[in-house]
Amino acid sequence: EAQVTQNPRYLITVTGKKLTVTCSQNMNHEYMSWYRQDPGLGLRQIYYSMNVEVTDKGDVPEGYKVSRKEKRNFPLILESPSPNQTSLYFCATRTGGNYEQYFGPGTRLTVT
Amino acid sequence: AQSVTQLDSQVPVFEEAPVELRCNYSSSVSVYLFWYVQYPNQGLQLLLKYLSGSTLVKGINGFEAEFNKSQTSFHLRKPSVHISDTAEYFCAVRKRGSNDYKLSFGAGTTVTVRA
Repeated sequence: EAQVTQNPRYLITVTGKKLTVTCSQNMNHEYMSWYRQDPGLGLRQIYYSMNVEVTDKGDVPEGYKVSRKEKRNFPLILESPSPNQTSLYFCATRTGGNYEQYFGPGTRLTVT
Repeated sequence: AQSVTQLDSQVPVFEEAPVELRCNYSSSVSVYLFWYVQYPNQGLQLLLKYLSGSTLVKGINGFEAEFNKSQTSFHLRKPSVHISDTAEYFCAVRKRGSNDYKLSFGAGTTVTVRA
């Protein structure tokens, strides 16, 4: 079954404590991206990756890092989380020629 | 850059009544258009997409949308809603012919279906 998985699904943390949200896909897709969803703002892209070792900034990259060392995984790293990064985060993937993006189930992050 | 405006943030509707969700976009280049649905506590699922051809596109669960180039709109409709259609709906665009697959989303419309 085609899947995009994210872990953890829920996380409460404190300001400044480094964290990583993992994203994994089993569809052999080249393109992966991260979005954050905030009320009244819809989804905004944080970072994306066209393939292994190729990443680039989206619209709201400040405070985030990513890496793409292997095709299936695209972790989102918050080196020093702040309360304004409290949000719902989605990982998405797609393959070339396919116009649809497949979204993971989401990770709800609260930074206190 | 592209931007998407969803004209209604909340749409309450009775079961078996029709619903229309309005979406307008602005872009200096041609775009592909999408509607996604997010059920409570779930990720986003594609409802339908407009790539080219007929301006009336049909999607899953009885939804359809019409692309109007002159009005830069892509309104979503369903003739008769069910309780299970309660969800948040997002309109999105993507630049046509670009290697940048980024989707630009509207703020979302919450549809609440009441019996």
